[in-house]
Amino acid sequence: QLQLQESGPGLVKPSETLSLTCTVSGDSITSSTYYWGWFRQPPGKGLEWIGSVSSTGTTYSSPSLRSRVSISVDTSKNQFSLNLSSVSAADTAVYYCARLAGPSFGLDVWGQGTTVTVSS
Amino acid sequence: DIVMTQTPLSSPVTLGQPASISCRSSQSLAHSDGNTYLSWLQQRPGQPPRLLIYKISNRFSGVPDRFSGSGAGTDFTLKISRVEAEDVGVYYCMQATQFPLTFGGGTKVEIK
Repeated sequence: QLQLQESGPGLVKPSETLSLTCTVSGDSITSSTYYWGWFRQPPGKGLEWIGSVSSTGTTYSSPSLRSRVSISVDTSKNQFSLNLSSVSAADTAVYYCARLAGPSFGLDVWGQGTTVTVSS
Repeated sequence: DIVMTQTPLSSPVTLGQPASISCRSSQSLAHSDGNTYLSWLQQRPGQPPRLLIYKISNRFSGVPDRFSGSGAGTDFTLKISRVEAEDVGVYYCMQATQFPLTFGGGTKVEIK
């Protein structure tokens, strides 16, 4: 059964870079027709897409975050990662990784989420 | 970007009664491949989101048949035929027809 697990620091200082990793178990991250994505949810608010990477390594990111976002894949570890630079308090949120499954294009598997607080 | 608008914001429902959530997109979600990539997710309190419906009306594995989706173009609806206590949470529509992926603002379903 496919499982996703986010990991990374729970506290990041303003202006620094937030780095998270999503470990995929139960399937290969290079399986075709999947996109692996990052999402976030600020306290008490809705869901926001940050960006995705395809099984071939093509990346897509939210226009509002594009200048600060980097998403990469490590096939040897079956992981994909998020770097969000120059963070501020507005980046405080629960961060989720999830799989977007083609051809349904539904977000069919989610990690449990990890809370990241930006504070000095 | 495609803007997704959900109504209502909140839906107090009596157990066993139906509930309906509307989602409207700022442009058609029909993809050039003939599919419409509109899905519905449920987020129970303290839990990650869970896929309920994909491509407008297809129930995901394990989703009870009291959940149904319908619509086309820019107007979509999620219906719960008889609300149960476990259905409490926030429901989101999401479009994946084009990047950036976008979500509706969410509809909170609660028991009266």
